[in-house]
Order: sequence, then C-alpha cells, then structure tokens
Amino acid sequence: DAKTTQPTSMDCAEGRAANLPCNHSTISGNEYVYWYRQIHSQGPQYIIHGLKNNETNEMASLIITEDRKSSTLILPHATLRDTAVYYCIVPQPSGGTSYGKLTFGQGTILTVHP
Amino acid sequence: GAVVSQHPSRVICKSGTSVKIECRSLDFQATTMFWYRQFPKQSLMLMATSNEGSKATYEQGVEKDKFLINHASLTLSTLTVTSAHPEDSSFYICSARARQGARNYGYTFGSGTRLTVV
Repeated sequence: DAKTTQPTSMDCAEGRAANLPCNHSTISGNEYVYWYRQIHSQGPQYIIHGLKNNETNEMASLIITEDRKSSTLILPHATLRDTAVYYCIVPQPSGGTSYGKLTFGQGTILTVHP
Repeated sequence: GAVVSQHPSRVICKSGTSVKIECRSLDFQATTMFWYRQFPKQSLMLMATSNEGSKATYEQGVEKDKFLINHASLTLSTLTVTSAHPEDSSFYICSARARQGARNYGYTFGSGTRLTVV
C-alpha cells in the first residue's frame, strides 16, 4: 500500500469544521484515497473516497491536492458523535495477489468537545 | 447502501474449543472478503483475504490452520478460530468488497465480533 501519515490526535469544537490531514506522498496514479472512521467497539464506517477530484457527500468533503500527495477530510459541522478514529487509506490496486486489500495505519483520534 | 452482517456480535468460549464467525453481504455480491483482528487500543490488523471459490491468502504470521476461512459463496465467508486460547481473545472484523463494475465498488465492514476465550 502507499504509506499514509496522519496526526495522532486532533481536537475540534462542536459545530466547527474538522479538517483532518493525510499525507500519501508515494501514491501512484491509479490509486484511490479512502477515508473510514471507527467509533469504539464498532466496525469501520465508510466516509468517502476519491482519485484526483475533490469529492463531497452527505458526511464529508475530501480535498485532494493537485499532485495527489496529500488530502484533507473535512467534516463541515462536527458533532459529539463524530468523535472517532479516522483512517486515511490507499488500498493496493487489484491485481495479482493483492486483491485491493486495505491496510490500516494508526489513524487520527478526533475528539469533538462541547 | 451496501450492508455486511457479521454474527455473532459477541461470543465467550472455553479454551480449546472452536468458534465460527459469519460474514454476509446482504445486498451485493462480494467477490473478495477480508478478515481483520483488533486488539485493545490498536489498529485493525489484516489477517487474511478470501475470494469466492478459492483458498484464502493469509498475512505473514497468521496461522492458516488455526484461523480457517471459507468463502463458499458470493455472499458468505466464515472464519473459524480453532482450538481457541485466551490470547485469541480479540475483536474480529470482516470486510466485503463488491465485484468490479457493481454500483458500489467499495469496502463495507461488518460490525465486528468480540471473542473472549476463558
């Protein structure tokens, strides 16, 4: 997998935007960036993914730099329920024996406080 | 959206017994399923990858004879922890990937199984 680097932890005030950065400087041209989050003792939840264009859905926005070496996940109005570990992942492309597997790093612990 | 159902959510078993965990894709066909293990305060560790109708591929250090994976259909994969010991106590999570070309070609995770071996 393209290695990703994220800050260990971040804080955010409720109602404000949470901006979570991720570096993936070794990403190749056909590799997507995926974001997941995990709330304690639950399975990871899909948030968003993208290749080169910025993406937005009902949960978040994903901003990918033009050189694709980094991205930022934006939660526009964070709530207490957004407190979780956020993972930025670049899966291996499918093919050969990799089957596009997702390898999780340590992620960013986001704490949203009142 | 894509849903993956994982059962049981919680299981306690005696040391030396075997435990089977099921992972089902409810509304899509999953050609590939992944099994992860997560210890407290740690990230998810990939254990193995399974493709429907073929043998699973195990990550380095994962005993294939201890963690038996069966992916008999496009909607069901099972993980059997054989001769479980207390050190196998962990949170096990499955993930299913839809076949390429499907409307949802992404990764969906189950809700996890908390295994406690006593």
